[in-house]
Amino acid sequence: EAQVTQNPRYLITVTGKKLTVTCSQNMNHEYMSWYRQDPGLGLRQIYYSMNVEVTDKGDVPEGYKVSRKEKRNFPLILESPSPNQTSLYFCASSLYQANTEAFFGQGTRLTVV
Amino acid sequence: EDKVVQSPLSLVVHEGDTVTLNCSYEVTNFRSLLWYKQEKKAPTFLFMLTSSGIEKKSGRLSSILDKKELFSILNITATQTGDSAVYLCAVPQGGSEKLVFGKGTKLTVNP
Repeated sequence: EAQVTQNPRYLITVTGKKLTVTCSQNMNHEYMSWYRQDPGLGLRQIYYSMNVEVTDKGDVPEGYKVSRKEKRNFPLILESPSPNQTSLYFCASSLYQANTEAFFGQGTRLTVV
Repeated sequence: EDKVVQSPLSLVVHEGDTVTLNCSYEVTNFRSLLWYKQEKKAPTFLFMLTSSGIEKKSGRLSSILDKKELFSILNITATQTGDSAVYLCAVPQGGSEKLVFGKGTKLTVNP
């Protein structure tokens, strides 16, 4: 089954404790991206990747890191999480570019206390 | 700065009504506009529009793009409670592969 898998689905952590949210897709897609969704602000792109070893900033990259060492995986790293990073996070993949159909993961609900 | 603005932000209708959701955009080097539906969690793809005036249709949902006036509409006819969701519009930013989303329209369809 074609899918984008994020883990974990729910996470409560403390300020400053490094964490990684994993994202994996099995569709051989080149384009992958991370979003956060907050009430009243909609979906905002954090980082995106056009292919292996090619990543670029979205609209809200501060406080986040990503890497794309393999085509299927695109982890999101919070080196020192803060409470303002409490949010619902989505990973998505598309075949080639931003202007193609995106498939989203099921989301990760992150709470930083 | 590229912008995507959706209206209304929320809408409550009765089953059987027809609704029109709006998405206006300001982006350089426009390539496409995409519509997504978000029910409980992950958004799912509805339509991608690239050409002005050509309607995309899927069952009771349809969408059209006006590149001159820089907007798109999403129509839902004979609404059902299962259409209750947040509808999102997204446009790739000109000159990059960033994707900019509008804030969404929350549609509630009451029985």
